[in-house]
Amino acid sequence: AQSVTQPDIHITVSEGASLELRCNYSYGATPYLFWYVQSPGQGLQLLLKYFSGDTLVQGIKGFEAEFKRSQSSFNLRKPSVHWSDAAEYFCAVGISGGYNKLIFGAGTRLAVHP
Amino acid sequence: EPEVTQTPSHQVTQMGQEVILRCVPISNHLYFYWYRQILGQKVEFLVSFYNNEISEKSEIFDDQFSVERPDGSNFTLKIRSTKLEDSAMYFCASSGQQANGYTFGSGTRLTVV
Repeated sequence: AQSVTQPDIHITVSEGASLELRCNYSYGATPYLFWYVQSPGQGLQLLLKYFSGDTLVQGIKGFEAEFKRSQSSFNLRKPSVHWSDAAEYFCAVGISGGYNKLIFGAGTRLAVHP
Repeated sequence: EPEVTQTPSHQVTQMGQEVILRCVPISNHLYFYWYRQILGQKVEFLVSFYNNEISEKSEIFDDQFSVERPDGSNFTLKIRSTKLEDSAMYFCASSGQQANGYTFGSGTRLTVV
């Protein structure tokens, strides 16, 4: 069965430090991959997505992610974190060839220290 | 940029009552979805809708739930007899072919008391 694992439930970084959020998926074919960010009580904002092509994907707010097929991973990175990046981050895999439901990971809550 | 619109943003209902959550997907999209997020938990797929019928549903989507696209623009989720455990944020989404343009609405927070 398809699944998404985000190994880190909570991460705390200092403002200005680099960030990497991990995401691993289990899916037999090439998936669609997404990263969303959610502030408390708010909706889901798309940061970036991978469908095909270049495995390094640029997104909004200075985020990027790299698809590594051999590791079944799609880790999210940012070179310098801002206090406003504190939020919950969800990785999701889209099941291609069907009706495109997304399967979400459990999320990583990011705290940013000043 | 096109948006998925959900109304209301917050609904409080008594246990056992019926609720209808409304969504206006992006106009040229073909696939429509409902997801649920219980407070503090991950987002879970409920149902997908394509070509005027349910294409896939999860175990959560039992007989108490139904979806409808009554007029070609709105997409609704009905819960017939709400339970306390239905309290959650419900997200509507829509997409084009091959998940192009996959867009979520801002959600409806349902509180069952």
